[in-house]
Amino acid sequence: DTGVSQDPRHKITKRGQNVTFRCDPISEHNRLYWYRQTLGQGPEFLTYFQNEAQLEKSRLLSDRFSAERPKGSFSTLEIQRTEQGDSAMYLCASSFSTGGNTIYFGEGSWLTVV
Amino acid sequence: AQKVTQAQTEISVVEKEDVTLDCVYETRDTTYYLFWYKQPPSGELVFLIRRNSFDEQNEISGRYSWNFQKSTSSFNFTITASQVVDSAVYFCALSDTVNTGTASKLTFGTGTRLQVTL
Repeated sequence: DTGVSQDPRHKITKRGQNVTFRCDPISEHNRLYWYRQTLGQGPEFLTYFQNEAQLEKSRLLSDRFSAERPKGSFSTLEIQRTEQGDSAMYLCASSFSTGGNTIYFGEGSWLTVV
Repeated sequence: AQKVTQAQTEISVVEKEDVTLDCVYETRDTTYYLFWYKQPPSGELVFLIRRNSFDEQNEISGRYSWNFQKSTSSFNFTITASQVVDSAVYFCALSDTVNTGTASKLTFGTGTRLQVTL
């Protein structure tokens, strides 16, 4: 059973450009989460899905950020008109939605906006 | 609002020493989950343990042990006989179960960087 997979692992982009990250959850996990982590801080919740439905979005998720999970499997996180403050690691996680669900994280996607 | 405090920013120990990482949490929920994750330099968050609020039994897994005390809202993590490979940042996290009955959105502490030297 493979873990949570994220792509790309590293992205350098110029300010104002759009970027998209992809996350493939652990198979059969119906919940998928996105977090953002800046240097020296703990991860901060952005949003999560249960199947195709986006159940919760953080106030951190500005209008420039959009996440989708169209078929209830993989998810994409797009950042439009990137700003230097968007530089961070974007972490994806997945879990079941029942029982004592453990939340497993991927290796993260590092974004540098120059 | 939920909050997790990891007051120890950085700890340095010599290999084979025991070390305890502190975690204090705040929540108004009666049902919640607590987690510990390890983050090595590669960046991936590695799951270590999940504990629900109704289970106050301490747990031991090899050199790792956890002490959960609801009376003091603490969920401390002890590494016995530390090794160089334990060097990493360790995060404590809290999840409520509002609307879902299960763990969902995690609130993380700021992490404790553990450095184990020879």
